Amino acid sequence: NFMLTQPHSVSESPGKTVTISCTRSSGSIASNYVQWYQQRPGSSPTTVIYEHNQRPPGVPDRFSGSIASSSNSASLTVSGLKTEDEADYYCQSYDSSNRVVFGGGTKLTVL
Amino acid sequence: QVQLVESGGGLVKPGGSLRLSCAASGFTFSDHYISWIRQAPGKGLEWVSYISSSGGTRDYADSVKGRFTISRDNARSSLYLQMNSLRAEDTAVYYCAREARITMVQGVIVRPFHFDYWGQGTLVTVSS
Repeated sequence: NFMLTQPHSVSESPGKTVTISCTRSSGSIASNYVQWYQQRPGSSPTTVIYEHNQRPPGVPDRFSGSIASSSNSASLTVSGLKTEDEADYYCQSYDSSNRVVFGGGTKLTVL
Repeated sequence: QVQLVESGGGLVKPGGSLRLSCAASGFTFSDHYISWIRQAPGKGLEWVSYISSSGGTRDYADSVKGRFTISRDNARSSLYLQMNSLRAEDTAVYYCAREARITMVQGVIVRPFHFDYWGQGTLVTVSS
């Protein structure tokens, strides 16, 4: 089994770009797809990125995902920040036993 | 439109039992794997259990194995979670979440492990 580690919080100003990292503790980040979910206060999670870098219909292209083997991590980048992007973001993957693994979540503040 | 509606949450004493339900609509329920995922108050997401589209395969997080049982009724488009021997640490909002459709690659099932729809959640509180 492995863990996915995210920063507890990040903050940035409207219009700027922020990147949230998700580091896999063991095994290659490229071995299993990574998804990213957005959870606004009081709401259920919704997908912003799936399969490392795919955007579901309706998700703005301001959201992008990538992986980096050098740091064994996935990243979610949000550009042109808007106040509505303020939310918790979770990365998610799965292990060789087909068990789902979530990162601890990152609180994005747009100030 | 796809809908997942959980019910059955409430206040239960430690050691007690509760049965959660998730009613699905707007899609072919029997085509999808479904999971229960929980979120303790102020905490992150924790995967609890999944069941395959036919119900023939299921798995649990170590934290609930032996206490929780997942099941489904494809004729009723419903998912269930029987929770026994409940503990204070089981207190959480419980979501049912649909996995995106599986694909077949050269006869092998490829699970997407991507939760494309979530219910609104039902709160389970375990307290004396």
